[in-house]
Amino acid sequence: AQTVTQSQPEMSVQEAETVTLSCTYDTSESDYYLFWYKQPPSRQMILVIRQEAYKQQNATENRFSVNFQKAAKSFSLKISDSQLGDAAMYFCAYNYNNAGNMLTFGGGTRLMVKP
Amino acid sequence: KAGVTQTPRYLIKTRGQQVTLSCSPISGHRSVSWYQQTPGQGLQFLFEYFSETQRNKGNFPGRFSGRQFSNSRSEMNVSTLELGDSALYLCASSDLTGRDEQYFGPGTRLTVT
Repeated sequence: AQTVTQSQPEMSVQEAETVTLSCTYDTSESDYYLFWYKQPPSRQMILVIRQEAYKQQNATENRFSVNFQKAAKSFSLKISDSQLGDAAMYFCAYNYNNAGNMLTFGGGTRLMVKP
Repeated sequence: KAGVTQTPRYLIKTRGQQVTLSCSPISGHRSVSWYQQTPGQGLQFLFEYFSETQRNKGNFPGRFSGRQFSNSRSEMNVSTLELGDSALYLCASSDLTGRDEQYFGPGTRLTVT
C-alpha cells in the first residue's frame, strides 16, 4: 500500500522569507503523480502544485516550487516570499496512474506566517 | 464555471441514524471522489464514482455507500451512525483521471451525538 508521510506537523515562517515543507512517500509504482494541496481555515482545499513522476524537471508555480527526488521518494514544497495568505494546512498527496482519482494524503503540515 | 457544491454544509445526527450527503461536481466533470477528514485519521479516501460506476473504494465498512446519477451528481450515505463518523466529508470532482487536478467542495461537517 502506498503511504505518504509529512514529518513536520507545524512550521512557521516570517513574512517575505522562504520555507520548505517536507514530504516522503512509499510506492512500488513507477508511473504516478504527486500533489501539494492547501487547506486554508475556510477549509476549501485547493491545488498548489503538481508533479508527474516521469518528468525529471521540478514543477514551479509562481512562488511555489518542488524538489522532487524520485529515487529518494521525496517531494518537498518550497514557498518563496511567504505571504500572510499562505498560512494554511498543506497536504502532500499521491495518486498513481490508472488508479482513477484516489488520492493518498499525508498527515498535513500547518504553516504559520508571522508578520 | 461554478465550483463543487456540497449540501448540507452542517449536519447533526444521533447515533444509530442514517445520513445522506450530496455533491454536485463542476459541470462536465464525470469523476466524483469522497474523502473523510478527521483530526485523528486525517484525510482518507472513501470511494470514487465515474460515469455512474464505482471505480475505486477505500477501506471503510459497508455502512458507507454512495452512488452517482446520470448528471454526475453524487450522494454518499452512512447508515447506523457511530460517534466516530463525526468528520468533515469532502467531495472532489475531476474531468479525467489520475494526473488531473481534483477540485474540492467546501465539505459537509457531520456531528454525531
